[in-house]
Amino acid sequence: AQKVTQAQTEISVVEKEDVTLDCVYETRDTTYYLFWYKQPPSGELVFLIRRNSFDEQNEISGRYSWNFQKSTSSFNFTITASQVVDSAVYFCALSADGNNRKLIWGLGTSLAVNP
Amino acid sequence: DTGVSQDPRHKITKRGQNVTFRCDPISEHNRLYWYRQTLGQGPEFLTYFQNEAQLEKSRLLSDRFSAERPKGSFSTLEIQRTEQGDSAMYLCASSLAGVGGANVLTFGAGSRLTVL
Repeated sequence: AQKVTQAQTEISVVEKEDVTLDCVYETRDTTYYLFWYKQPPSGELVFLIRRNSFDEQNEISGRYSWNFQKSTSSFNFTITASQVVDSAVYFCALSADGNNRKLIWGLGTSLAVNP
Repeated sequence: DTGVSQDPRHKITKRGQNVTFRCDPISEHNRLYWYRQTLGQGPEFLTYFQNEAQLEKSRLLSDRFSAERPKGSFSTLEIQRTEQGDSAMYLCASSLAGVGGANVLTFGAGSRLTVL
């Protein structure tokens, strides 16, 4: 069975704090892809990152960084020096069918960054 | 190209009425997906098209739901005899199929349906 678990339902931080959003996945496939999407209050899901199972290099993009660890089946997302504009629901998703016919989504983590 | 467009953004209807949503994908994208999202949940896959062919439908998609993508461009999602349980956000996404594995989805802003 394939599954994505985002154990943190809601997180609240004060601006400029660092925050890590956890994502744990389950799949028996050896080839798979992991994604993070952001859903701000406007509702539109915005792509953040895609990572394939053969690339365990961590990635940094500005204040965003991702830590992929196959040994623990985790793909965690860290926002450094958070800002109010980071307030959104963040979804982790898994694609294990190779063609991305459908994604398996976590339930999302709602992040509130307070001034 | 301004991205994926969905219309209407909001629809309020009475139970038993039919509703139709439209999605205009990014023009060069050949794949189009419909998802449904309820509060506090991630998107649930409904169906997807490659060009004009509907390649997969979720078991969530009852007989009251039908989707089309004539000519492989825009798509419509129709819900007949709406029920209160159909109230949700209906999301459309498009992507470009190609080599290299799972492609990235570009989502529209969604169409929110409220069934009274």
